[in-house]
Amino acid sequence: GAGVSQSPSNKVTEKGKDVELRCDPISGHTALYWYRQRLGQGLEFLIYFQGNSAPDKSGLPSDRFSAERTGESVSTLTIQRTQQEDSAVYLCASSPPGQGWGEKLFFGSGTQLSVL
Amino acid sequence: SQQGEEDPQALSIQEGENATMNCSYKTSINNLQWYRQNSGRGLVHLILIRSNEREKHSGRLRVTLDTSKKSSSLLITASRAADTASYFCATRGSGNTGKLIFGQGTTLQVKP
Repeated sequence: GAGVSQSPSNKVTEKGKDVELRCDPISGHTALYWYRQRLGQGLEFLIYFQGNSAPDKSGLPSDRFSAERTGESVSTLTIQRTQQEDSAVYLCASSPPGQGWGEKLFFGSGTQLSVL
Repeated sequence: SQQGEEDPQALSIQEGENATMNCSYKTSINNLQWYRQNSGRGLVHLILIRSNEREKHSGRLRVTLDTSKKSSSLLITASRAADTASYFCATRGSGNTGKLIFGQGTTLQVKP
């Protein structure tokens, strides 16, 4: 695709339910990132994948959060037993390989998650 | 914890004026980048400066980096109403990592 695609663009869920957020990176981009942005705040790093290396999960806030990536394509961020504090925009970004690795991120439009 | 802290949090100027935003960070870096965000959704990469560089230009943007003070500044010259957005600095740590940590951002309003 032309850019990073995220779905759904908006998700409303009830407290305690599980949600899955999807990210389709730009074709050929080996690095993929997930960030969380609460209203009026900066971006909070969650996790990043680089090729076949083990992902850097150091930003995941709790064991309710997990993410997977199939090869160098689609990634899914799963939040189990959602809490109201999980309400935020979840942003995905990808980055090309080689010298460009982690040097220029291309962002999707994000998923606005609202937990009622 | 977040690496970059930006100053000021908000800035309001008239069209044609220059806007300066500052970013401070805590640990050694490989590079520092600036991004722009409109309407609270996707970010757009503006410019990157490496740890061995001191200044870089791109169009109306000028970025400086002072590694001894662990700080950077972004200058937008001759601002336009269309520059109204939030601006974030992001740092990539030194070593074999692509992890990019963002600051809290500066909200810029340019009045026509």
